[in-house]
Amino acid sequence: GAVVSQHPSRVICKSGTSVKIECRSLDFQATTMFWYRQFPKQSLMLMATSNEGSKATYEQGVEKDKFLINHASLTLSTLTVTSAHPEDSSFYICSAVRDYGYTFGSGTRLTVV
Amino acid sequence: AQSVTQLDSQVPVFEEAPVELRCNYSSSVSVYLFWYVQYPNQGLQLLLKYLSGSTLVESINGFEAEFNKSQTSFHLRKPSVHISDTAEYFCAVSEVGAAGNKLTFGGGTRVLVKP
Repeated sequence: GAVVSQHPSRVICKSGTSVKIECRSLDFQATTMFWYRQFPKQSLMLMATSNEGSKATYEQGVEKDKFLINHASLTLSTLTVTSAHPEDSSFYICSAVRDYGYTFGSGTRLTVV
Repeated sequence: AQSVTQLDSQVPVFEEAPVELRCNYSSSVSVYLFWYVQYPNQGLQLLLKYLSGSTLVESINGFEAEFNKSQTSFHLRKPSVHISDTAEYFCAVSEVGAAGNKLTFGGGTRVLVKP
């Protein structure tokens, strides 16, 4: 079946630094990937839609300069949290689309100290 | 635009008892419907989905959901739960048509199975 690998699973960084999260589709090509953010005990909030070879589409209220998304190949999308601050601490999850199936990565717990 | 409402934020249930998680949606277009399960600090795993055909869909681990178009609902049921079913459950919809349409999630229902 479709597998999506997300790394790292946990990261702690200092305030002001940048963090890159990778999302790979291991056994299929994904022209579209999605990035979500999840706060404790809450639902998933879509941040952006990542399309291979083109600019990402960001949801309203999401700062595109802060959350940089790159989808350079059909199997890899990256989310870079730039100049991270404690309020960016959250659980980030990616999802790749194959036909009408959405496969999710295992998530990245980001803690900014 | 679509919206999804999960009416119960938490559902405590005893082991081997039945459980129903309610999901209602609102959309101006036809939708596909999904149920996902999330264990702590993990991503989401697909339980089941409705794309077309029979309105009753089943998963391999005993869950089932029925699409009711007139009531715009997609409730999830399991006749007998196990401790291992303790998790967060999310209902989601996407627009019919393009395969890359985004998912819209409900707020989630936390199921706590008690011995």
